[in-house]
Amino acid sequence: AQSVTQPDIHITVSEGASLELRCNYSYGATPYLFWYVQSPGQGLQLLLKYFSGDTLVQGIKGFEAEFKRSQSSFNLRKPSVHWSDAAEYFCAVGYTGTASKLTFGTGTRLQVTL
Amino acid sequence: NAGVTQTPKFRVLKTGQSMTLLCAQDMNHEYMYWYRQDPGMGLRLIHYSVGEGTTAKGEVPDGYNVSRLKKQNFLLGLESAAPSQTSVYFCASAGGAFGRVTFGVETQYFGPGTRLLVL
Repeated sequence: AQSVTQPDIHITVSEGASLELRCNYSYGATPYLFWYVQSPGQGLQLLLKYFSGDTLVQGIKGFEAEFKRSQSSFNLRKPSVHWSDAAEYFCAVGYTGTASKLTFGTGTRLQVTL
Repeated sequence: NAGVTQTPKFRVLKTGQSMTLLCAQDMNHEYMYWYRQDPGMGLRLIHYSVGEGTTAKGEVPDGYNVSRLKKQNFLLGLESAAPSQTSVYFCASAGGAFGRVTFGVETQYFGPGTRLLVL
């Protein structure tokens, strides 16, 4: 069965520092990969997605992610974190022919210190 | 466009009571989904629908029923609420063409959530 692993439950970074959130997926087929962000008390907002082509994808709010097939990874990065980036981040994977269902990771909570 | 809306935002139930959560979308999406979110467990799919009049079970369907009588609405029902159903419930919708195979994976758009407490 497909699964998504986000190994970091909680990460704290200083404002202005760089950020990398890890995501690994486990399945043999070609994945469609997503990163969503959830602010406290809110729904999930799409940050970026990867379907095919260039393995480095740009998203909203200055985020980017790189797909590495050899490592089954889709890590999220931001060069300089802002205090407003404090939120929970979810990685998700989907596959063709499955009614666009997604399997989510357990999330990484980002805390930003000033 | 309102996107995806959910009603109610918050509800407290007693064990054994029933209730219905309403999800509405105005994006003409074919696919709709109900998830529950629990601490440390991410989002888990309860039920989903690939078009008006269709429903299917997800990962954790027990104790829930759904209906999709209109394309824009997806209802989640709890017939006899249990404390284990205390959670935050999210609805999502995604594009797709009913009756035609979609080879890709459509982006899901989420509602703001319904917080449910079962005592």
